[in-house]
Amino acid sequence: GAVVSQHPSRVICKSGTSVKIECRSLDFQATTMFWYRQFPKQSLMLMATSNEGSKATYEQGVEKDKFLINHASLTLSTLTVTSAHPEDSSFYICSASVSYNEQFFGPGTRLTVL
Amino acid sequence: AQKITQTQPGMFVQEKEAVTLDCTYDTSDQSYGLFWYKQPSSGEMIFLIYQGSYDEQNATEGRYSLNFQKARKSANLVISASQLGDSAMYFCAMRVTLYGGSQGNLIFGKGTKLSVKP
Repeated sequence: GAVVSQHPSRVICKSGTSVKIECRSLDFQATTMFWYRQFPKQSLMLMATSNEGSKATYEQGVEKDKFLINHASLTLSTLTVTSAHPEDSSFYICSASVSYNEQFFGPGTRLTVL
Repeated sequence: AQKITQTQPGMFVQEKEAVTLDCTYDTSDQSYGLFWYKQPSSGEMIFLIYQGSYDEQNATEGRYSLNFQKARKSANLVISASQLGDSAMYFCAMRVTLYGGSQGNLIFGKGTKLSVKP
């Protein structure tokens, strides 16, 4: 199956700093990638849809100025959490579609903001 | 609005036995796709099986099969011959159909935590 990588897998940062998370499709091109957030013992919730060469589409309630998304190439999307606070601590996971019946996820990034 | 419902927060199964994880969905679309993912404690989402709304036969992938009952809007996952490594969270998901017919993200149920007992 298609491979999606994510980096870093785990990050701990101080409150007020910014953190960048990379999502890469390793063996296919992805014009669209999705960013999800998962709080402990909860399900995955879509944050935003990342489109190559255009602005991301954010879900209602997700601050676009806080969660900056850049999809600069067909294989890379980045999510930057700006001025992170403890409530932003969560598991962030990206995905990309290969075809209608396939959507593959990266291994996720566990963010802890102190 | 599209919705996925998983009513079993937790399930136990004896090793080597079969187990069924329930999933019902709600959509007004005629064309849709249903997925099951396994999430172990590491957090990665492992794709298990897919069922398209127009697929006439139930999907099967090794020990996984999907009991698709379209009229009842249910897509239950059946795991046969459970193994200790099957202990994990299991999520049912549906692919959103965007305006214009293009395919979008997945929406997920709340998940079921499966525990396999030796």
